[in-house]
Amino acid sequence: AQTVTQSQPEMSVQEAETVTLSCTYDTSENNYYLFWYKQPPSRQMILVIRQEAYKQQNATENRFSVNFQKAAKSFSLKISDSQLGDTAMYFCAFTPGGGADGLTFGKGTHLIIQP
Amino acid sequence: EAQVTQNPRYLITVTGKKLTVTCSQNMNHEYMSWYRQDPGLGLRQIYYSMNVEVTDKGDVPEGYKVSRKEKRNFPLILESPSPNQTSLYFCASSLRQTNQPQHFGDGTRLSIL
Repeated sequence: AQTVTQSQPEMSVQEAETVTLSCTYDTSENNYYLFWYKQPPSRQMILVIRQEAYKQQNATENRFSVNFQKAAKSFSLKISDSQLGDTAMYFCAFTPGGGADGLTFGKGTHLIIQP
Repeated sequence: EAQVTQNPRYLITVTGKKLTVTCSQNMNHEYMSWYRQDPGLGLRQIYYSMNVEVTDKGDVPEGYKVSRKEKRNFPLILESPSPNQTSLYFCASSLRQTNQPQHFGDGTRLSIL
């Protein structure tokens, strides 16, 4: 069984700062996918970024980028130039490459962007 | 507009009274699933369906039923709800597999008294 660990229950930074959210996972799979989801106060689950394990290049989406360290089983999310609208719960999630199993989520990190 | 629609958004009910949470998607997705979200636990998968008439248990299926008679609909049924099923529920869908981006509904807040 896979596990996903987010060790920071809550983080707070000032607007415009850069913040990094950590995520580690445990799996015996060689092919898998990793995701970061954002859940603002509206409760919607919004996909932020997706990483395929066999791709060595780190995924980026505008101000969001990941640092994927496959050997260390680490998948951190970096948010640059943070904005008030980035305030949300952030969940790291894992799924094996076969695709039938669901997403395994971490417990989440509550990120607060201070004005 | 591509979307996953859940109903109701909020429900307060009593122990033992059967209820159904509906989920419908308009994207012709084959894969659909249900998750529950509890404070400090993240989201956990309840049931999933790879296609019509194909369903399987996720990590926390006890006390729940599902059906997939049509591709677009995937209702979650609580035959005899209990207080420990008080939670926030999400339906999600993707084209075929979970390694593809999941589209989530807006969530259903269930309170079982």
